[in-house]
Amino acid sequence: QQQVKQSPQSLIVQKGGISIINCAYENTAFDYFPWYQQFPGKGPALLIAIRPDVSEKKEGRFTISFNKSAKQFSLHIMDSQPGDSATYFCAVITGGGNKLTFGTGTQLKVEL
Amino acid sequence: NAGVTQTPKFQVLKTGQSMTLQCAQDMNHEYMSWYRQDPGMGLRLIHYSVGAGITDQGEVPNGYNVSRSTTEDFPLRLLSAAPSQTSVYFCASSYSQRSAYNEQFFGPGTRLTVL
Repeated sequence: QQQVKQSPQSLIVQKGGISIINCAYENTAFDYFPWYQQFPGKGPALLIAIRPDVSEKKEGRFTISFNKSAKQFSLHIMDSQPGDSATYFCAVITGGGNKLTFGTGTQLKVEL
Repeated sequence: NAGVTQTPKFQVLKTGQSMTLQCAQDMNHEYMSWYRQDPGMGLRLIHYSVGAGITDQGEVPNGYNVSRSTTEDFPLRLLSAAPSQTSVYFCASSYSQRSAYNEQFFGPGTRLTVL
């Protein structure tokens, strides 16, 4: 069963715009909610992560918003740049901080 | 540090052949895992290990075997390859602290095609 539902599947944003990717989860027993970024031909790399007792976390142009009651969390990329073009995966963690369950991914393209 | 390394980068197999995908890490991480990535399905956990001598199944373990004889190495074996195992395989490693988010470091992947 899909424990994490991610949308949209693909996204095109103009340079300087805001990219928003959403995820919804079903199980309430998750410990952390990370986002991974993957460039073509590479492995995923951690972008940013949030704990469930925090509603928002910001690192540079990247922000996670977390809504515990709605079981949703989202990634906002401010001032999107062509270098941000990649596939983004949300994930949930259980089992003491290691076992990742990924969303299906969002392919982001930032156009000039 | 080389981080997480995987070999080979590409492999083509015929149905029924067996092979081993190699994974090694030099960060002294306790936790290692294997994922497969398929279009529209994200990454799915195949097997994982919390330390040398300890392995367990993930979400999609059928058709794959693993062992962990050392902290550094975590090979994935395909016993009898099937076309459904055509995928990109990623190995990952991390520390294993409880009550903490342990960033997982991914290797560059192995692209496997089974004909």
